[in-house]
Parts: sequence; structure tokens; C-alpha cells
Amino acid sequence: ILNVEQSPQSLHVQEGDSTNFTCSFPSSNFYALHWYRWETAKSPEALFVMTLNGDEKKKGRISATLNTKEGYSYLYIKGSQPEDSATYLCAFPGSARQLTFGSGTQLTVLP
Amino acid sequence: GAVVSQHPSWVICKSGTSVKIECRSLDFQATTMFWYRQFPKQSLMLMATSNEGSKATYEQGVEKDKFLINHASLTLSTLTVTSAHPEDSSFYICSAREMGRDSSTDTQYFGPGTRLTVL
Repeated sequence: ILNVEQSPQSLHVQEGDSTNFTCSFPSSNFYALHWYRWETAKSPEALFVMTLNGDEKKKGRISATLNTKEGYSYLYIKGSQPEDSATYLCAFPGSARQLTFGSGTQLTVLP
Repeated sequence: GAVVSQHPSWVICKSGTSVKIECRSLDFQATTMFWYRQFPKQSLMLMATSNEGSKATYEQGVEKDKFLINHASLTLSTLTVTSAHPEDSSFYICSAREMGRDSSTDTQYFGPGTRLTVL
């Protein structure tokens, strides 16, 4: 059973603040690390697929970094906006390419 | 990105009845779809991998006779919760995988989920 952990479980920030949260995963047998954003009443949406140690990916105000040697990835949001409020999930593929999800970080951006 | 639909979005049923949930990939063909279940305040737990034209692969602890999966076409997988009981009440969500050359380029597109309440 793969152990994928996310912290914090929930986070409240003020509009305009920058924030970050963590996903930790097994550092052995690494294939890739996926980040998803899940807004209430919508489908989870793929944000990034991270593959290489030291990878940094960016999509607008959201970016992610990857450290495969120590088994963690950070997701950063710069200048948070209310529309960034969502649950952010990371997922780790196993050998059969199925995804094991972390429990998510629920972000609330207060106007 | 690709679109996956799921129907119904919510269902309330009586204990002992069966409920069918449909998952459709609308603009791509998916040989593999996945069914997840989410318990309150917990993560998405993989229940089974649905493969077009073959039997589903169930995760440990998931009763295959309870949760029947059929993947009869490249765009449709169904999950039937048989003889549902209140403990089956949960949020069920499917995804359809668009294969890349390896797992790092696979993309899973999710449906919006189905809230099942068994009275």
C-alpha cells in the first residue's frame, strides 16, 4: 500500500496572500507525481504531472516543485484569489499505473 | 481537457435495491476507467480498475459481487451497487484514463461524482 500524505489538511488565507502546501510520497520506485484541483460540485482537474527530480512547473499563479530523493512536492499559490478555493490533491501512480491519492489540502481564500 | 460525464449526480434509494452509475468519456476512447469511493474527510480510495472488454480488477477489500462493474464499450463503464445498504452510502467518482507513452504522461479525467444515499 502506497503512503501518500498531504499537509495541512485545511488552510484559510486572506485574498492576496501567498501559500503553499506539501505532498509526501514514497521515494523509491518513483514514476510520477500528479497534482489535481477539485472545486466543489465540479470534477477534479489535472494541474501538473511532475516527473523529474528538481522539476518546477507553473500554471498562472500556481507552481509546483518536486524532490524525488526525499519524497516530497510543494504546491505554491501566489497572490491567492477566492477562485483558488478548492481541495488540492496529489496522486502517486503505482506499478500498474493506478493512482493513489493523498487526502488533500482544502484551501479557502477569504475575500 | 477531455470531458467525462457521470450519471446520476445523486441518488437516494431504499435498502436492498440496486443502483447503477454510469461513467462516460465524451470526447475520447478510454480502454481503462477507474472507480473511486470517498468517505467523509478522507481521500479518494480506488475501488476497481475497469478494462474494456475484460473483467474489472478489484482492490483488496472491495466485494466484486457487491460492486458490479461493466465496461462494454470504449466510452462507457457502469458501476452497479447491488442490494445497497446504508453503509454503502458514499460519494462515488469515476475517471477515464488517456494513456501516455508511460505512466508519467497518463492523464486521468474525472467525472463529477455521484452521491449515493441508502435509506
